[in-house]
Formats: sequence, C-alpha cells, structure tokens
Amino acid sequence: QSALTQPPSASGSPGQSVTISCTGTRSDIGGYNYVSWYQQRPGRAPKLIIFEGTHRPSGVPDRFSGSKSGNTASLTVSGLQAEDEAEYYCCSYAGNNLVVFGGGTKLTVL
Amino acid sequence: LQLQESGPGLVRPSETLSLICSVSGDSITDTTYYWGWVRQAPGRGLEWIGNVHYTGMTSYSPSLKNRVTISADTSKDQISLSLTSVTAADTAVYYCARQASALIRPSFALSPWGRGTLVIVSS
Repeated sequence: QSALTQPPSASGSPGQSVTISCTGTRSDIGGYNYVSWYQQRPGRAPKLIIFEGTHRPSGVPDRFSGSKSGNTASLTVSGLQAEDEAEYYCCSYAGNNLVVFGGGTKLTVL
Repeated sequence: LQLQESGPGLVRPSETLSLICSVSGDSITDTTYYWGWVRQAPGRGLEWIGNVHYTGMTSYSPSLKNRVTISADTSKDQISLSLTSVTAADTAVYYCARQASALIRPSFALSPWGRGTLVIVSS
C-alpha cells in the first residue's frame, strides 16, 4: 500500500482554473470509485471537498470538481479565489477497508 | 457531530502513545460508520493509521499494524488509539475522523474531523 502521487505544488491567478492530479494503481484509484479530496488550510484540520470521485458535500462551492480516468484522479478548481490557497490531499479506498492518501499539493493563488 | 482528541502531548521514546477521541452529537454505534485515526508529521502529508467499527472490527495501515491498536468504548462514545514502541518519527498531529462505510455517502470518505492533537516523542 503506497501513497498516491500528487505534484508538490500548483498555482494560478485569481479567476483561472487549476487541476491537481493524483496517480495511483489498479489496487486503489483504478479499482474503485471511492476517491475523496480534502482541503487543509494552515493550522487547521482537513475538510472534505469531494467524495466518490465527483460529488461535493453540501456547502462546498461548485468551483470544485473531481474526475477520474484509469488510475488517475483529478481535482479542478475553477475561478480561483484567494481563499482557495491551501494544501489539497487526495485519498482512495484500497480494499479491505483500507484507505491511502496522496502526498499533498500546495495550491498557491498568485 | 463533533470529535475531540485528547491525551499526553509528550511521550518518551520506546513508550506507548495513547489517545482518546470523544464523540458528541451522535453515537458511535451507528452501524454505517467507522471511526478512524489519521496523523500528520510536522510539515508532512496525511497518513491514515486505521479505523474501528463499534462492533470492534478494525483495519490498520500495513506500515503500522504491528504497533497500533484502535478500540471503541460504546458506553462513553469514545475511540482510543494506542501506538507502541514510539520513536521521533511518530511525532505528529493526530486526528480522529468519522469514516463512512460503503453503505452510506460519503462512502469511505472521512468527515468530520477533530481539531487534532500534537504528540511529541522526545526524552
């Protein structure tokens, strides 16, 4: 069970769109439709923003969207706002009631 | 629903780290949820430790399973974490979170989370 692979950083200007990738294997992302994404601001606990690959919990702006292709999941943030600057983590079910996280991506709003 | 972690902030090397997660606003006996622990070393990413169902069924990260025990106390709506033989590498903020099962949305996602508690391993 290895960590999922995310780029360490991403950036964009206000109003632009940014996509963060998350690569796994057939044993996790590719094998299940249970990818979740979390936003973590400095000093705060993570917050769920996407579940089951594409669904947003109540209260999460529709600027956040998720997708999956094969062993790679993606998070897109559209219409970037200053408040979106945070660390983003992907997470996937990996069978046998286990989950695995990605290493995290620091999103900077320029 | 609120989760609150508590426990010693300092643990000596080779000793056992013990934390409690107190759940309020709901009972841990909801069969559709597990209760998990996640940690984050300073400046590092999230690491899933494991989870427990109120029935006592547990799942652990393969990298930690030889040292970790998670249990549920239904009389107190508390989840406990025990990590043995700690080293400096176990220094981290430890979070507890509710993890949905496949029976309910958000399936296998963790939400909500507690605020976390920092545990430092040092002599």
